[in-house]
Amino acid sequence: DTEVTQTPKHLVMGMTNKKSLKCEQHMGHRAMYWYKQKAKKPPELMFVYSYEKLSINESVPSRFSPECPNSSLLNLHLHALQPEDSALYLCASSQDVIGTVNQPQHFGDGTRLSIL
Amino acid sequence: AQTVTQSQPEMSVQEAETVTLSCTYDTSESDYYLFWYKQPPSRQMILVIRQEAYKQQNATENRFSVNFQKAAKSFSLKISDSQLGDAAMYFCALYGNKLVFGAGTILRVKS
Repeated sequence: DTEVTQTPKHLVMGMTNKKSLKCEQHMGHRAMYWYKQKAKKPPELMFVYSYEKLSINESVPSRFSPECPNSSLLNLHLHALQPEDSALYLCASSQDVIGTVNQPQHFGDGTRLSIL
Repeated sequence: AQTVTQSQPEMSVQEAETVTLSCTYDTSESDYYLFWYKQPPSRQMILVIRQEAYKQQNATENRFSVNFQKAAKSFSLKISDSQLGDAAMYFCALYGNKLVFGAGTILRVKS
């Protein structure tokens, strides 16, 4: 069982819909991440939150809006998405953003997003 | 800039045999970390093994071991006594200032 929980597991939405992806961890980690993964491709970093503040935005379009309400939760708000945004969205967490070997990133199972 | 290259899109191994997955990388960071992640069809990215770049000793985790050649910027993964459950996509990853993944290698295990 993963220690990082993502909901929903699958999401189908139209281009005009507004939806949110949710990620939760209870490991006391202070860094949380959103990745986008297309089929048979590696994950690509989207956002990094450190101590509930956005520290990295990898030039992600504004139709993706992250939010970190508290240290355990990370949301990704979606609005006016395009068909090319269909992908697996992975959430991860680590003890801190400092990437020591004792602080590897733990991943959730992902949300499979399909844009009609 | 950080790059990770996995030159083997697919590999096959017979059950109980040994297989080596290749990875090379490049980074301008003086302090960095290397990882191998496994992603089965169930989607979850699972950490297999990790290596601190400043350590010369190769990491080992049960049937998984790495051959870390810092000068050559090479970080290969050896899987011994391969099992059917090892079948997955394997990603090599580098953390300098962020986690960057290679393109992945699909490992197939034949019974």
